[in-house]
Amino acid sequence: GNSVTQMEGPVTLSEEAFLTINCTYTATGYPSLFWYVQYPGEGLQLLLKATKADDKGSNKGFEATYRKETTSFHLEKGSVQVSDSAVYFCALSEDSGAGSYQLTFGKGTKLSVIP
Amino acid sequence: DADVTQTPRNRITKTGKRIMLECSQTKGHDRMYWYRQDPGLGLRLIYYSFDVKDINKGEISDGYSVSRQAQAKFSLSLESAIPNQTALYFCATSDLRQGSTDTQYFGPGTRLTVL
Repeated sequence: GNSVTQMEGPVTLSEEAFLTINCTYTATGYPSLFWYVQYPGEGLQLLLKATKADDKGSNKGFEATYRKETTSFHLEKGSVQVSDSAVYFCALSEDSGAGSYQLTFGKGTKLSVIP
Repeated sequence: DADVTQTPRNRITKTGKRIMLECSQTKGHDRMYWYRQDPGLGLRLIYYSFDVKDINKGEISDGYSVSRQAQAKFSLSLESAIPNQTALYFCATSDLRQGSTDTQYFGPGTRLTVL
């Protein structure tokens, strides 16, 4: 079955530091890849996505590139802010049959950014 | 107004009680989902529905049931709550027409505590 593995947290960074959160996946076919973010006390929000190899998703200064050869979708940001403190989830979506797409989530990585 | 709403937002109940969590959406999406979130485990799919007449079990459906009363409403029931069902529950929706991208939109969550 499909699975997503992301780096364990928590991750604590100083403001303006560079962020990388690693994500690798296992899938039987050719999935779409996502990063979701969960701010404290809120539900998950889509941060960015990529649907094919070498696509780069980007949003709010975050980027991730779909690497089929390494089955990876690492999240990066050049300069984090305190407001980026949240839990980040990597996920994939693949057709499990008859157009039935389901998301498979990683366990989440908690990021804390300190001033 | 929020596109995906959940009621109640917080609930404390006792072992053996029947509990219903409700989800409503104004996005006009066909697909609706129920997840639970536990610390360190990420999100796990309980049930999903692709339309009013299509209900499917997810990864962890035991102890839960659902009802899709209308396109916009999807309820999750715990017939006899037990303490290990204490968790954060999320409803999500997605648009059938999106196909493989299957971007899901999440509600704010319901924090359920079973004593």
